Amino acid sequence: AQSVAQPEDQVNVAEGNPLTVKCTYSVSGNPYLFWYVQYPNRGLQFLLKYITGDNLVKGSYGFEAEFNKSQTSFHLKKPSALVSDSALYFCAVRPGASKIIFGSGTRLSIRP
Amino acid sequence: SQTIHQWPATLVQPVGSPLSLECTVEGTSNPNLYWYRQAAGRGLQLLFYSVGIGQISSEVPQNLSASRPQDRQFILSSKKLLLSDSGFYLCAWSTSGGAGNVETQYFGPGTRLLVL
Repeated sequence: AQSVAQPEDQVNVAEGNPLTVKCTYSVSGNPYLFWYVQYPNRGLQFLLKYITGDNLVKGSYGFEAEFNKSQTSFHLKKPSALVSDSALYFCAVRPGASKIIFGSGTRLSIRP
Repeated sequence: SQTIHQWPATLVQPVGSPLSLECTVEGTSNPNLYWYRQAAGRGLQLLFYSVGIGQISSEVPQNLSASRPQDRQFILSSKKLLLSDSGFYLCAWSTSGGAGNVETQYFGPGTRLLVL
């Protein structure tokens, strides 16, 4: 079955430190991968996506994600966290022509 | 540029009452449209999607229904709300598919529904 997993419900990072939010997937064929962010009581905002090409994808707000085919992962990263990065983050995968599948979300908390 | 609107932003309804949530998209034509429900600020559940006027696909059987009376309008309805219908309802759009096109979904601001 096609699926996407975010193994951490919550990630806590000190401001200024690097952050990583993990995502792994299981699909047949070549996946299209996405990251979204959701602030409280708001809709999801698109951050970045991987289609093909360079495994390191850069997105909005200084975020980037690395596609690793052998580990079937697409972890979200940022070199230096800001308090304003605190939000709920969703990984999503679109297996080929199928509908997009969202992960369960990871709550990122950045402490000052 | 494209924008997506949802209203109302917040709604409190009694059990058994009807529901109508509206979503409209501006700045694009023939979008794919989606309704999601998010419970308890967590995962998203796809409820309905539409690839064109009058074309609705249901993902989860329930007492909700969707309609697309116009190209850029998507409506979520219920004849009788249940307590379990409470949640955060999100509408999204994407460009219609084509060769090599990878559809990114763009979300509206959401409607918070509380059924009492």
